[in-house]
Amino acid sequence: EVQLVESGGGLVQPGGSLRLSCAASGFTVSTRYITWVRQAPGKGLEWVSVIYSGGSIYYAASVKGRFTISRDNSKNSVFLQMDSLRAEDSAVYYCARGVVAKNAFDIWGQGTVVTVSS
Amino acid sequence: QTVVTQEPSFSVSPGGTVTLTCGLTSGSVSTTYSPSWYQQTPGQAPRTLIYNTNTRSSGVPDRFSGSILGNKAALTITGAQADDESDYYCGLYVDSGIWMFGGGTKLTVL
Repeated sequence: EVQLVESGGGLVQPGGSLRLSCAASGFTVSTRYITWVRQAPGKGLEWVSVIYSGGSIYYAASVKGRFTISRDNSKNSVFLQMDSLRAEDSAVYYCARGVVAKNAFDIWGQGTVVTVSS
Repeated sequence: QTVVTQEPSFSVSPGGTVTLTCGLTSGSVSTTYSPSWYQQTPGQAPRTLIYNTNTRSSGVPDRFSGSILGNKAALTITGAQADDESDYYCGLYVDSGIWMFGGGTKLTVL
């Protein structure tokens, strides 16, 4: 079964760091682009970052310079290192798999909750 | 800054047809933006309905269809059912490696 499972969320103080993981099963992460999308409480979806199979990386302006996406092929996982966290980064973070050559996402994880608060 | 626009809410009767739209505050939505549509119920992860304007994702019933109507992307639900009551988000591929989502449409079936 094709599946994505996020982990690593939690409560962190403003200015702190957190590392989210997205573990894949049923497919190989190095063959697809993987994205992170977040959703603040009661709000809509916000695209965060993407890593392509070839290694190209892109970020939303709101997180550029603070978040770092990476991939570990040996663990079949993608990670999101989040530094200098702010209250407005509080959200459910989802990872999703890209549809080959179609600029969209087909498989989503269940999400992990990040709360930034003192 | 360009924003992706969606109707905040919509209502449809059971068995009825509803069309939700996805536009831009600046410019027109075309197939170049690879419009996609996602369904989300409270507490659940998004589910992909449509990608590449009009391609249904695996397992999505054919009463969901996507298109371009005028200068917007559109999601049409034909024969609405009670469990279609959800939030619907459109996604646009706006630049190399960059996506944007609309604010979502809350669909009520009553």
